[in-house]
Amino acid sequence: AQKVTQAQTEISVVEKEDVTLDCVYETRDTTYYLFWYKQPPSGELVFLIRRNSFDEQNEISGRYSWNFQKSTSSFNFTITASQVVDSAVYFCALSDDARGAQKLVFGQGTRLTINP
Amino acid sequence: EAQVTQNPRYLITVTGKKLTVTCSQNMNHEYMSWYRQDPGLGLRQIYYSMNVEVTDKGDVPEGYKVSRKEKRNFPLILESPSPNQTSLYFCASKWNSGANVLTFGAGSRLTVL
Repeated sequence: AQKVTQAQTEISVVEKEDVTLDCVYETRDTTYYLFWYKQPPSGELVFLIRRNSFDEQNEISGRYSWNFQKSTSSFNFTITASQVVDSAVYFCALSDDARGAQKLVFGQGTRLTINP
Repeated sequence: EAQVTQNPRYLITVTGKKLTVTCSQNMNHEYMSWYRQDPGLGLRQIYYSMNVEVTDKGDVPEGYKVSRKEKRNFPLILESPSPNQTSLYFCASKWNSGANVLTFGAGSRLTVL
C-alpha cells in the first residue's frame, strides 16, 4: 500500500532562515508521481510541484527547491530565506498510475510558521 | 476561470439531518474526488469517480454516498450525519492518469452537533 510520512508536525523559524520540510514515501510501483501542496491560513490547497519517478533532478523555483532521492524514498522541500507569507500547512502527496490512478495519498502535513 | 465550486462553504447541522454538499467543475475533467481533512491525519479520500456513472470507495467511505450523473457534478451526501463527520471537506477534479494535478475546491467546513 502507498504511504506518505511527514514526520515534522510543526516547524517554527525566524524570517530569513532556511527551512526544510521532510517527506518520505512508500510504494511498490515503479511509476509514480510526487506532489507538494500548500495550504495557507485562508484554507485553499495550492499546487506547488509534481515530480515523476523517472526524473530525479532537483528543481528550484525562486526560493523554493525540491530534493527527490529514490534511494531513500524522500522528496524534501526547502524554502530559502523564508518569509512570513510562507507560513502555511504543507502537504506531500503520492500518486501511482496503475489502473488510471484513483488516489492521491497525502501525508499528515507540516505546519510551518515563519516569525517576523 | 477554471475552477471547482463547492457549496456550502460552512454548515452547522445536527445529528441525523440529511445534507448534501455540492461540487461542480467547469474543466470537463473525467476524474472527481472527495477528501476530508482532519488535524494530524492529512487529507483522506472518501470517494472518487473516474467518469459519469462510475464511482468507487476511497479510504473512509463509511457514512457517505456520492453520485455522478453528469460529468461536471459530484455531490457528497451524508444520509445521517454524526459528530465524527465534523471535518473540512474538499472536492477535487483532474484528467484521468496519475500524472495529472488535482484542482481543489475552496473547502466546506461541516460541524455536526
